[in-house]
Amino acid sequence: EVQLVESGGGLVQPGGSLRLSCAASGLTFRFYWMSWVRQAPGKGLEWVANINQDGSGKYYVDSVKGRFTISRDNAKNSMYLQMNSLRAEDTAVYYCARGGRYCSSTSCAAFDIWGQGTMVTVSS
Amino acid sequence: DIQMTQSPSSLSASGGDRVTITCRASQNISSYLNWYQQKPGKAPKLLIYAASSLQSGVPSRFSGSGSGTDFTLTISSLQPEDFAIYYCQQSYSTPWTFGQGTKVEIK
Repeated sequence: EVQLVESGGGLVQPGGSLRLSCAASGLTFRFYWMSWVRQAPGKGLEWVANINQDGSGKYYVDSVKGRFTISRDNAKNSMYLQMNSLRAEDTAVYYCARGGRYCSSTSCAAFDIWGQGTMVTVSS
Repeated sequence: DIQMTQSPSSLSASGGDRVTITCRASQNISSYLNWYQQKPGKAPKLLIYAASSLQSGVPSRFSGSGSGTDFTLTISSLQPEDFAIYYCQQSYSTPWTFGQGTKVEIK
């Protein structure tokens, strides 16, 4: 069964850090671009970051640049999101999602596989 | 950034109705337009990719059309399991952006 499973969410104080993980199974992880997408409570979807197959290309939404770092370990079929200097507005469910195989730095295929999400709450 | 605007924001419909949701991009995105369905407490599910291609396993009552800046998602005969929120998303230019969502409710 093709599956993405996120972990690492939780409650953190403003200014704190958290590392999210996404474990892939049932798919050839190393062939695909991967992304993080978040959804604040009661709000819509926001793409956060993506990474190419070998990890050499990483792209971020402006609101997290300099604070968040996306990475991957193909040997472990896993992707990560290191989140530093967290703010209240980062509170959301964070989903990992599979993109395409043949993407450019700006355009890509749809997100065809999603994890179940992990909740991050930034509050004092 | 490319802005994606969906209309309507919500609609009420009955089982068997034909439902149309539109999505407009603030600039030309060719056919890099995708549609997702999200039910409460669940992850989004891909329905349509590249504007008009039906994702594997998605019922044929769902269809997509359009190119450039104007796109449409159509549900030909609404089923009970279709009541959900629908999002369009452009994957033409980062940051990839989503529409605000259209909530399809039971009349």
